[in-house]
Amino acid sequence: AQSVSQHNHHVILSEAASLELGCNYSYGGTVNLFWYVQYPGQHLQLLLKYFSGDPLVKGIKGFEAEFIKSKFSFNLRKPSVQWSDTAEYFCAVNAARGYQKVTFGTGTKLQVIP
Amino acid sequence: KAGVTQTPRYLIKTRGQQVTLSCSPISGHRSVSWYQQTPGQGLQFLFEYFSETQRNKGNFPGRFSGRQFSNSRSEMNVSTLELGDSALYLCASSLGTTGNYNEQFFGPGTRLTVL
Repeated sequence: AQSVSQHNHHVILSEAASLELGCNYSYGGTVNLFWYVQYPGQHLQLLLKYFSGDPLVKGIKGFEAEFIKSKFSFNLRKPSVQWSDTAEYFCAVNAARGYQKVTFGTGTKLQVIP
Repeated sequence: KAGVTQTPRYLIKTRGQQVTLSCSPISGHRSVSWYQQTPGQGLQFLFEYFSETQRNKGNFPGRFSGRQFSNSRSEMNVSTLELGDSALYLCASSLGTTGNYNEQFFGPGTRLTVL
């Protein structure tokens, strides 16, 4: 069965600091990978996704993630965070075939201090 | 295009009661998935429906059930509620099944409180 680990549960950064949130998954086959964000009081929304191709994926609001297959990782990065990036971030994975459920990590709460 | 809608947004029930939650997917989307979100646990997958058939099921007891109608709208039912069922229940829709390169769009959730 697939699983997702997000090692950072709570991250506090000052504005303009760089961000990297870790995500590791366990599944031996081809995967779809996602990062979702949940701003306070809002819906979960997709930040970026990886299905195939270039392992460096660019998403909305200046976020990017790199898929490293050998490390089973899909870390989220942003070079300079803003106060408005304060939110909870979820990594998710599913097997890229047939009827496969999406497994989410437990989330990382990011707090950006002005 | 309207997003995923969920009704009701808030529910308060007592132990032993049952509850039905509703989800209307984005127009044209045929897959609906349900998740339970609790602090510290993240999102736990409940089930996925596609073309009125349950395609996948998570590790929840049989008290949790669902169905999908021909217009792709879905309902989720929880019977004999327990205190631990208090959570935010999220519905997500996608064009096709989630294993086939389809991204999910989430609704605002139904906040269920069991007293």
